[in-house]
Amino acid sequence: DSGVTQTPKHLITATGQRVTLRCSPRSGDLSVYWYQQSLDQGLQFLIQYYNGEERAKGNILERFSAQQFPDLHSELNLSSLELGDSALYFCASSVSSSTNEKLFFGSGTQLSVL
Amino acid sequence: LAKTTQPISMDSYEGQEVNITCSHNNIATNDYITWYQQFPSQGPRFIIQGYKTKVTNEVASLFIPADRKSSTLSLPRVSLSDTAVYYCLVGVDWTSGSARQLTFGSGTQLTVLP
Repeated sequence: DSGVTQTPKHLITATGQRVTLRCSPRSGDLSVYWYQQSLDQGLQFLIQYYNGEERAKGNILERFSAQQFPDLHSELNLSSLELGDSALYFCASSVSSSTNEKLFFGSGTQLSVL
Repeated sequence: LAKTTQPISMDSYEGQEVNITCSHNNIATNDYITWYQQFPSQGPRFIIQGYKTKVTNEVASLFIPADRKSSTLSLPRVSLSDTAVYYCLVGVDWTSGSARQLTFGSGTQLTVLP
């Protein structure tokens, strides 16, 4: 158990809908990262937050947004969903914002867009 | 950005030592090298991290030559349960002022055969 909690584990929705994925980092970790993993794309970095502030942005679509709350949990919002958004979404956390930090990953949210 | 290059796949037999090499020609002075292991439908898990020479822990060794342009993950006496994707990751400390993403490469699919 990595200590990172992601909910829900599975999400099935329809095209055009909006969903929210939630992540609780390990106790004491200030950084949260979001990754998308689809079958043919590997692990794609989406966005990183550190202590409530956005720190780095990757290949995140404009339809997607995220935030980190004062209690350090994070939410990834996906809107106007398309079939191609079906993927495994991982959240990871680390102690600091350093990219040399060890990342701890959650078990992921499997999103299926029908 | 320090891009990494790894073999796409490798096969091995139980009990053998496996060496997976990662190239990172543009590694920066402050970059550490970190390896992760990922099983299907699970989040990546930290294996080992190093800066130079050799690092060893209970599961693997990491060899880094003096020029640090490559690194080799060594898994001693692999078993069937070591079948997974292995990622090499190179990062930089935020204090250097560089906005570096934590980007995973394509990884190496290791298949251990009986």
